[in-house]
Amino acid sequence: DVKVTQSSRYLVKRTGEKVFLECVQDMDHENMFWYRQDPGLGLRLIYFSYDVKMKEKGDIPEGYSVSREKKERFSLILESASTNQTSMYLCASSLVRLRGGNYGYTFGSGTRLTVV
Amino acid sequence: SQQGEEDPQALSIQEGENATMNCSYKTSINNLQWYRQNSGRGLVHLILIRSNEREKHSGRLRVTLDTSKKSSSLLITASRAADTASYFCATDRAGNNRKLIWGLGTSLAVNP
Repeated sequence: DVKVTQSSRYLVKRTGEKVFLECVQDMDHENMFWYRQDPGLGLRLIYFSYDVKMKEKGDIPEGYSVSREKKERFSLILESASTNQTSMYLCASSLVRLRGGNYGYTFGSGTRLTVV
Repeated sequence: SQQGEEDPQALSIQEGENATMNCSYKTSINNLQWYRQNSGRGLVHLILIRSNEREKHSGRLRVTLDTSKKSSSLLITASRAADTASYFCATDRAGNNRKLIWGLGTSLAVNP
């Protein structure tokens, strides 16, 4: 069964800490995405990557960075965690876009991050 | 930025009834996708309908697309308690882009 695996289901970190959220997919997908999900705000795209070492900013990149050194792994980094980054973080992957539009996404189970 | 808008925001029905959720969007699309999210979990892809398709079925799911009205509906027939979840539509805008645009979702409660 194809999978997107996020390293932690729940995480509690202190304000100012550097936080790494890891995401690994086993489907040889080119595209990978990081979202955060907050009540009433839906899914908001933080960063995405369409190739190794390539990245593009999403709608809310401030306070975050990403790393994609290998095709199967996409890491989200909170440089200095703040309480307003408490959220559910979702990783997703998809095949590269061909004619006819983007394919469906496969999501991980999510990481609920609490910053105290 | 959100393009899809689901309607209603919340829906509560009895087991065995049908559930209908709607999604409206603003720009031309390549395709529209529906996802389900169980509480506290990731999203699961349900169905993709292309802009040149009008209706698609998958098991108890029926999706329609009306590009002239820029709207789609998801019908779940003979609902079960296990269908309780949030349902999201996502649009793939026409043109060269790599991102889906998400709605805020419909929360469905199916009561036993």
